[in-house]
Amino acid sequence: AQSVTQLDSHVSVSEGTPVLLRCNYSSSYSPSLFWYVQHPNKGLQLLLKYTSAATLVKGINGFEAEFKKSETSFHLTKPSAHMSDAAEYFCVVSKTGGGADGLTFGKGTHLIIQP
Amino acid sequence: NAGVTQNPKFQVLKTGQSMTLQCAQDMNHNSMYWYRQDPGMGLRLIYYSASEGTTDKGEVPNGYNVSRLNKREFSLRLESAAPSQTSVYFCASSTSGQTQETQYFGPGTRLLVL
Repeated sequence: AQSVTQLDSHVSVSEGTPVLLRCNYSSSYSPSLFWYVQHPNKGLQLLLKYTSAATLVKGINGFEAEFKKSETSFHLTKPSAHMSDAAEYFCVVSKTGGGADGLTFGKGTHLIIQP
Repeated sequence: NAGVTQNPKFQVLKTGQSMTLQCAQDMNHNSMYWYRQDPGMGLRLIYYSASEGTTDKGEVPNGYNVSRLNKREFSLRLESAAPSQTSVYFCASSTSGQTQETQYFGPGTRLLVL
């Protein structure tokens, strides 16, 4: 079975400063890993995903994440926060090649951007 | 393309009432999903349909039924609503049932059961 832990329920940064959202996972298989973003009262949107290719994954809106197998981590970063980045972020792990029921969602990190 | 659409956007029910949540996608995807989102819990899979004509239980199926009406539509039914089913419900779709694929989400249905 797989699991995912988002280490911070809330992160607050100032506009223009770096963003770090932390995610650790466990999986008995070679996992696929995702970050999704949810803006208020909206559905989830894919930011980026790792599927066993390059370990540094670039996503939309300047976000990127690095898959570190030795640390079982998949932290999300952005060099400079923008007000529009304020949202809920979910780290998701799946079994590579697994069935449609194979996604496990983290509990989410609420990102607050201070002006 | 509208993507994934859900109806209704909001609903208030009394305990014991029934209702059906509608979901449709126009991306010609084979697989569709229903999740519920509760505060501090992330998303949990209720039911999924890996392809037209098939449905399977997810992590939290009790109290729900689903119908894959055709390739585009996947509905979720609450036969006798309970306050514990107060939640935000999301429908999603993907090209196929492989979990390394991106899932595309609808805007959600906010349900309050009194």
